[in-house]
Amino acid sequence: GEDVEQSLFLSVREGDSSVINCTYTDSSSTYLYWYKQEPGAGLQLLTYIFSNMDMKQDQRLTVLLNKKDKHLSLRIADTQTGDSAIYFCAEILTGGGNKLTFGTGTQLKVEL
Amino acid sequence: EPEVTQTPSHQVTQMGQEVILRCVPISNHLYFYWYRQILGQKVEFLVSFYNNEISEKSEIFDDQFSVERPDGSNFTLKIRSTKLEDSAMYFCASSPIRLAGSETQYFGPGTRLLVL
Repeated sequence: GEDVEQSLFLSVREGDSSVINCTYTDSSSTYLYWYKQEPGAGLQLLTYIFSNMDMKQDQRLTVLLNKKDKHLSLRIADTQTGDSAIYFCAEILTGGGNKLTFGTGTQLKVEL
Repeated sequence: EPEVTQTPSHQVTQMGQEVILRCVPISNHLYFYWYRQILGQKVEFLVSFYNNEISEKSEIFDDQFSVERPDGSNFTLKIRSTKLEDSAMYFCASSPIRLAGSETQYFGPGTRLLVL
């Protein structure tokens, strides 16, 4: 079955880059997503990457995908205090219908 | 910008009672979903719904759960006889078509359910 893991916490200083990592076990992922959850709020889609891509950049966000190692990362450049939130990676599997399988979530804390 | 809305934002109920969680998906979307997040745990898929029927459901979605689209705008999740372990944040989501990357699932703010 599918399993998606993330480290629980990350603390960075404002202005630094943040790198949030995610590993998954099922190689039949088609799309991989990053969602952001602020306290008391829903899940906001940040970005996504198709499984035949290695990298995707979207303003301050860079997604790297290493299919061989089943590793996905999200880099946030020039991290701001407003980036403090929980970040979830999620995947859609080939033949997995429409359901998203989420990772455990990484709590990002941005310090001044 | 259109968004998914959910009501109520919080619900407290007694064990054994029925609850109905309500969602208004984005108006031109065709697929609807319920997920839940037990405090401190992963977001878990419950059910997807398309063309007035369930298209997929997880093991969690047992006979105590049901979904309905009673009219053209609402999408509801009913829990017939709540258990303590049903306490969680319940998220509704919708998508315009089957997932294709950018047209993905848009989530509501969630309903926090507490079963006492």
